[in-house]
Amino acid sequence: GAGVSQSPSNKVTEKGKDVELRCDPISGHTALYWYRQSLGQGLEFLIYFQGNSAPDKSGLPSDRFSAERTGGSVSTLTIQRTQQEDSAVYLCASSQIGTGGGLNEKLFFGSGTQLSVL
Amino acid sequence: ILNVEQSPQSLHVQEGDSTNFTCSFPSSNFYALHWYRWETAKSPEALFVMTLNGDEKKKGRISATLNTKEGYSYLYIKGSQPEDSATYLCAFREVAAGNKLTFGGGTRVLVKP
Repeated sequence: GAGVSQSPSNKVTEKGKDVELRCDPISGHTALYWYRQSLGQGLEFLIYFQGNSAPDKSGLPSDRFSAERTGGSVSTLTIQRTQQEDSAVYLCASSQIGTGGGLNEKLFFGSGTQLSVL
Repeated sequence: ILNVEQSPQSLHVQEGDSTNFTCSFPSSNFYALHWYRWETAKSPEALFVMTLNGDEKKKGRISATLNTKEGYSYLYIKGSQPEDSATYLCAFREVAAGNKLTFGGGTRVLVKP
């Protein structure tokens, strides 16, 4: 596709339910990131993938959060037993890895999933 | 926890005026500094990726400078226009942190006609 695609764009769920958020990165981008922005806060790093592996999961807030990436493409962020504090905009981004393994490529962001936990 | 700070948090600018704001980051283990613009109801969009001390980048009326030794970057907007209204985010990448980018809290710019 032309850009990073995220679905759904909006998700309202009840406390305790599980949710899945999907990200479809730009074709050929090997790196994929998940961030979230809670109300009044900055962008908080959650996890990033290099291909299908996740070298850095340090930002996942709890073991209720998990993410996977298959085929070096689509990624799913799963939140189990959602809590009200999980309400946020969840942003996905992807990037190329430059020649020679350079890591200075800019990120391309999707339009986000607005998650509201009632 | 990395400290990436942006100031001010918000500012109002009269159309036609120039403005600038700051991103500060750790001065050790520097790898790269990114700037993004995030307009309401849109996705964040990359402005610059800066890697060398003393770097200056320019895109139209927007420019940025980088001082890695003292740990700051300035973003300048010359002759502000209403379409420049957005939140400007900086993001820091440190050596040996892989692909992880740590974002600042952003500076929200509102340009008044």
